[in-house]
Amino acid sequence: DQQVKQNSPSLSVQEGRISILNCDYTNSMFDYFLWYKKYPAEGPTFLISISSIKDKNEDGRFTVFLNKSAKHLSLHIVPSQPGDSAVYFCAASRVNNNDMRFGAGTRLTVKP
Amino acid sequence: DSGVTQTPKHLITATGQRVTLRCSPRSGDLSVYWYQQSLDQGLQFLIHYYNGEERAKGNILERFSAQQFPDLHSELNLSSLELGDSALYFCASSLRGLFGTDTQYFGPGTRLTVL
Repeated sequence: DQQVKQNSPSLSVQEGRISILNCDYTNSMFDYFLWYKKYPAEGPTFLISISSIKDKNEDGRFTVFLNKSAKHLSLHIVPSQPGDSAVYFCAASRVNNNDMRFGAGTRLTVKP
Repeated sequence: DSGVTQTPKHLITATGQRVTLRCSPRSGDLSVYWYQQSLDQGLQFLIHYYNGEERAKGNILERFSAQQFPDLHSELNLSSLELGDSALYFCASSLRGLFGTDTQYFGPGTRLTVL
C-alpha cells in the first residue's frame, strides 16, 4: 500500500525560477518527514526534514512546508539551479514505530 | 562520497541462485539500513540493524536475510532468486538507531539483475 505518494513523476523548470515538489501521505501517524535528492548512479542524499510539530523548515534555497490537515508536504527550491536536476524522494516516518515510507520520486529538470 | 561503501556494484545471476550484498557503514555509524528500489518505484525499506542487533523489519521477503557483524559491516543475503528481485539495493548508515530522525547516508547501491 502506498502511504506516501508523489503524483508528479517529473517537473521541468527554468533556471532561477521556483521549483515546487509535492508529496501526499495517508497515514496521520507519521510524525517526521524528509526529502532526499538522488543523482544518477549515486545513492540518495539527505536534503531537509521537518517534524510534525512544525509547518515550515528552511535551509538556504530549500524550504519544506507541511500541511497536516491536508496530509501534504512540499519542497520549494528558490532559485532553481541546473545542479538541482535530480530525482527527489519524500519520506515519512513514525519515529517510535521504526517505520519509514518513501514516495516513488519526482524527476526535476532545471533548464539553463 | 557519503562514506558508505557497497560491493559489488553490479551483479548478474540466474533464477534460483543465492547472492550476498555487502555494506560498510560510515566510520562511527552504528546503524545500517537496507532498501530495495525496483524500476520506477520508491525505496522500500527492508531491514534495520543497530550495533549488531536487528531493530526493525520492513517489506523483507522470507527468502532474504541480513546480519550486521561485530565490525559493523552488514550483508544482505538473497536466495532462491526470482526475476522480480531484479532491483537496486541500497545500504544506508546513521550514527544512532533513531530510524525516523537520524540522517541516513546512502551508499551508491548494488544493481542486481536476475536472468
